Amino acid sequence: NAGVTQTPKFRILKIGQSMTLQCTQDMNHNYMYWYRQDPGMGLKLIYYSVGAGITDKGEVPNGYNVSRSTTEDFPLRLELAAPSQTSVYFCASRRTPAGGEETQYFGPGTRLLVL
Amino acid sequence: DQQVKQNSPSLSVQEGRISILNCDYTNSMFDYFLWYKKYPAEGPTFLISISSIKDKNEDGRFTVFLNKSAKHLSLHIVPSQPGDSAVYFCAASDETGANNLFFGTGTRLTVIP
Repeated sequence: NAGVTQTPKFRILKIGQSMTLQCTQDMNHNYMYWYRQDPGMGLKLIYYSVGAGITDKGEVPNGYNVSRSTTEDFPLRLELAAPSQTSVYFCASRRTPAGGEETQYFGPGTRLLVL
Repeated sequence: DQQVKQNSPSLSVQEGRISILNCDYTNSMFDYFLWYKKYPAEGPTFLISISSIKDKNEDGRFTVFLNKSAKHLSLHIVPSQPGDSAVYFCAASDETGANNLFFGTGTRLTVIP
């Protein structure tokens, strides 16, 4: 199993450009998440999904959109890139909890620089 | 509003000694706590967790202690090894349906050989 994979690893965007960060998991997990990590800070939740076709906002959703058409994929869309979106983005997944399992499994991250 | 706090940005420990990383939280609805370890240019990896119904959980060299009355948890690593050098994040889960995680700002542990 590859686990959680993210592409690209690194991207430079100009202000106002758009892009999609890709996330795929092969563990058949229902729950998927997008976080951003700013320098010296913890991870903050952008959006999450509890299953295909179901998404919801996290703590910092402004400027982002998501979709979940399949169990495996959870892309994150930036429509109008701004310098404040310069960050490292992590995708994570978790199986439907049985007996209280809470562990999320993270991808390697996408480093985004907006200039 | 930071609901999970790690007040020590860094910690240096000699190899073989104990490392103690601390974490405080403010939300009494948190019912599950996790520690993640992160190396540079990699995603966080799960290390150990504890449910709010317990006060201690042990896994090899790693032990997590939970003090609910003080809203405080700590991670003990003994003996510390150079390979333990990484950033450690404390995270907490609330009781909502998706069990979203709230992360602290991390503590960078350096184990000196």
